[in-house]
Amino acid sequence: SAVISQKPSRDICQRGTSLTIQCQVDSQVTMMFWYRQQPGQSLTLIATANQGSEATYESGFVIDKFPISRPNLTFSTLTVSNMSPEDSSIYLCSVESQEGLNIQYFGAGTRLSVL
Amino acid sequence: AQSVAQPEDQVNVAEGNPLTVKCTYSVSGNPYLFWYVQYPNRGLQFLLKYITGDNLVKGSYGFEAEFNKSQTSFHLKKPSALVSDSALYFCAVRELGSNDMRFGAGTRLTVKP
Repeated sequence: SAVISQKPSRDICQRGTSLTIQCQVDSQVTMMFWYRQQPGQSLTLIATANQGSEATYESGFVIDKFPISRPNLTFSTLTVSNMSPEDSSIYLCSVESQEGLNIQYFGAGTRLSVL
Repeated sequence: AQSVAQPEDQVNVAEGNPLTVKCTYSVSGNPYLFWYVQYPNRGLQFLLKYITGDNLVKGSYGFEAEFNKSQTSFHLKKPSALVSDSALYFCAVRELGSNDMRFGAGTRLTVKP
């Protein structure tokens, strides 16, 4: 399995500001995923990030709002830009297992509240 | 596109009783099916998966799930519930050859002493 560290674990932000969430993995992984979990709801995939290429965004999510970096095989960042209260959610980083097991492992998440 | 449904928002059981958390899925091809558990203020933890082979799969913490192709179901079960099993449970599906994993809405399990 992979150990995934996310920072910050939680934050309270003002409307109009931006927050960058970091995701660090203890091993090299090809695919990293960013999910959003709105209060009381399920997970929604924001984008898939592969090292060395542009992230692939799901319908309803755009790069200007959620820019992603993937500088190497163990690290990624997600930025939530120009935040509004509707962005208040838990943001989760996930990686695909490298053992060919088709399992995704998740970080503990970043709990974001926008005032 | 694949999808998954968890028909129950909440399941309540008494400690020591068997528990079932229901999941049905829809895919156009062969499904990969997963169960994850989320404890408060924690990320999702992998419980078990079905890829191929035996329809009954066993996972962490004494949980098991049965793949039923005719009913397109993958219900999570445990013979004897513990209070510590109280958490939010997510069923997920991805299609063979796809990286797109779809999650159900989640079922909150409460085990009462």
